[in-house]
Amino acid sequence: KNEVEQSPQNLTAQEGEFITINCSYSVGISALHWLQQHPGGGIVSLFMLSSGKKKHGRLIATINIQEKHSSLHITASHPRDSAVYICAPQGGTGNQFYFGTGTSLTVIP
Amino acid sequence: GAVVSQHPSRVICKSGTSVKIECRSLDFQATTMFWYRQFPKQSLMLMATSNEGSKATYEQGVEKDKFLINHASLTLSTLTVTSAHPEDSSFYICSALKGDTNEKLFFGSGTQLSVL
Repeated sequence: KNEVEQSPQNLTAQEGEFITINCSYSVGISALHWLQQHPGGGIVSLFMLSSGKKKHGRLIATINIQEKHSSLHITASHPRDSAVYICAPQGGTGNQFYFGTGTSLTVIP
Repeated sequence: GAVVSQHPSRVICKSGTSVKIECRSLDFQATTMFWYRQFPKQSLMLMATSNEGSKATYEQGVEKDKFLINHASLTLSTLTVTSAHPEDSSFYICSALKGDTNEKLFFGSGTQLSVL
């Protein structure tokens, strides 16, 4: 049983396209993280959400607590956005993390 | 911004030896650190939660005698892979929660362990 379902698993887009990655979870959470992992393993935390919407540059993350769903959007995608994006809900006690399988994004020039 | 330093970035060792990986929060105090492993083309898997001054909490299926975690200070946690075997070869990553704010996770750059 997967606590976190992430889709799509793989995504190829043309530069400039609007991209959406979805995450559904079944556990009670205190927050949800979106992570970006570049080739070579380096991981960056993009957002931590507990409600509503956050925006940072071309990245937008939304969460609907009632529906247990979050989305990560990338506007005007660029080849440097190519990475694996991971959804990571954080459990209600604060110290339990769950991880989606990741979405491998490739943006073609 | 907050920085987490993980060392070494790559280690190759012989089967049966032990390997220690360090995770340091350079400019903040981390009461809680996490250790993950990642197999090729798979997502992160949480191994254990490390709280400063107390025993680590291991996830189901993770051998605590094999993966020794020490969090002796607010800026340092170590993971020791004891009596390493080829199946322990993996990418190990740490992350830290900044103080009590629980605001964001900060990740180390990872350690690629290869056991021959």
